[in-house]
Amino acid sequence: GENVEQHPSTLSVQEGDSAVIKCTYSDSASNYFPWYKQELGKRPQLIIDIRSNVGEKKDQRIAVTLNKTAKHFSLHITETQPEDSAVYFCAASMTLNTGGFKTIFGAGTRLFVKA
Amino acid sequence: NAGVTQTPKFRVLKTGQSMTLLCAQDMNHEYMYWYRQDPGMGLRLIHYSVGEGTTAKGEVPDGYNVSRLKKQNFLLGLESAAPSQTSVYFCATLRPGRMNTEAFFGQGTRLTVV
Repeated sequence: GENVEQHPSTLSVQEGDSAVIKCTYSDSASNYFPWYKQELGKRPQLIIDIRSNVGEKKDQRIAVTLNKTAKHFSLHITETQPEDSAVYFCAASMTLNTGGFKTIFGAGTRLFVKA
Repeated sequence: NAGVTQTPKFRVLKTGQSMTLLCAQDMNHEYMYWYRQDPGMGLRLIHYSVGEGTTAKGEVPDGYNVSRLKKQNFLLGLESAAPSQTSVYFCATLRPGRMNTEAFFGQGTRLTVV
């Protein structure tokens, strides 16, 4: 079945450094790749996403890249701040024959930003 | 506009008991999902629905049933709870868009089966 692998599971960086989280997916039918941030005890929230017809997207300190051939996509956070500390989830979504969508999540990366 | 609301927020069950988790949304979204979240496992899809009256199995459907009798409600049932079903359960709706497709999550239900 569909699978999304996410690495690393834990990432610790110094404030101001960059953080990179990588994901791979198995189903070539996936065409939408959102990233979610989940702070402790709270619900996941969308922070950025990318569609399969785009190779890169940037929003202030956050950027995502997508390599459809290799089935890789990555999240890049620059100039990290302590408030970036959270669990980040990648996901791969596909449109179903029925017209609906299905989304599979990676296992998550716990990011620690040390002040 | 409450978004996605889950009921209850916490519950402790004894092995073998049954219960239903309710997910209610007021955004008129067609697509609704139930996930469970376990440490180190991320979010795993249990069941989902692409519209009123339709349901489908996700990654880990065993031990759960769902119903979507009304568009705004997606119910997740545990017929005979097991300790392995101790988890945090999230309901989500999906809003497809041309520019981005966003999932809206409920606040979660922490279920403990003893």
